[in-house]
Amino acid sequence: DAGVIQSPRHEVTEMGQEVTLRCKPISGHNSLFWYRQTMMRGLELLIYFNNNVPIDDSGMPEDRFSAKMPNASFSTLKIQPSEPRDSAVYFCASSLSLGVNSPLHFGNGTRLTVT
Amino acid sequence: SQQGEEDPQALSIQEGENATMNCSYKTSINNLQWYRQNSGRGLVHLILIRSNEREKHSGRLRVTLDTSKKSSSLLITASRAADTASYFCATGGNDMRFGAGTRLTVKP
Repeated sequence: DAGVIQSPRHEVTEMGQEVTLRCKPISGHNSLFWYRQTMMRGLELLIYFNNNVPIDDSGMPEDRFSAKMPNASFSTLKIQPSEPRDSAVYFCASSLSLGVNSPLHFGNGTRLTVT
Repeated sequence: SQQGEEDPQALSIQEGENATMNCSYKTSINNLQWYRQNSGRGLVHLILIRSNEREKHSGRLRVTLDTSKKSSSLLITASRAADTASYFCATGGNDMRFGAGTRLTVKP
């Protein structure tokens, strides 16, 4: 079991550029979550999917943020255009299913720096 | 869903001592989960306690849950330097939300 795989590990970009973060969930997991972590705001849930369908995107901060899950083994989080305040560590997590007793399995995150 | 809040924000102890971290939440829950985060890494699930359980053990970890006080505690016994990490509680149904965490430092 390779765990949740995120890429890139680090991303440095200039303000105004498009940023795409990628995630491969654990095989067989039906639910996928995107979180953002900063010192000021802690861990924020951005969006989550079940069976590739977005269920709740109320945590997405602005229209500049979008997420897709074209198939069960791949998801992207896109920021366009990026701004310095988007600098954070972005985590992807997956779980067997939605439900109250399914632990989350996290990737090691993408550290995004927008200058 | 609402998130749990951990207390204290930071805790520093000597190796071999016990570490206790607390979590409070505001609404009714189905379960409460504890996670650990090492520096530069993702969160790792430690233990889940259901709302009808009062105590649960896993190795050197002991979790208690008091639904009347809407609080939980995580006890790490005989701490080791490798336990140095941030610890988070999480509540929620489909959407797990996390508190700010307790930063534990175990000095060798």
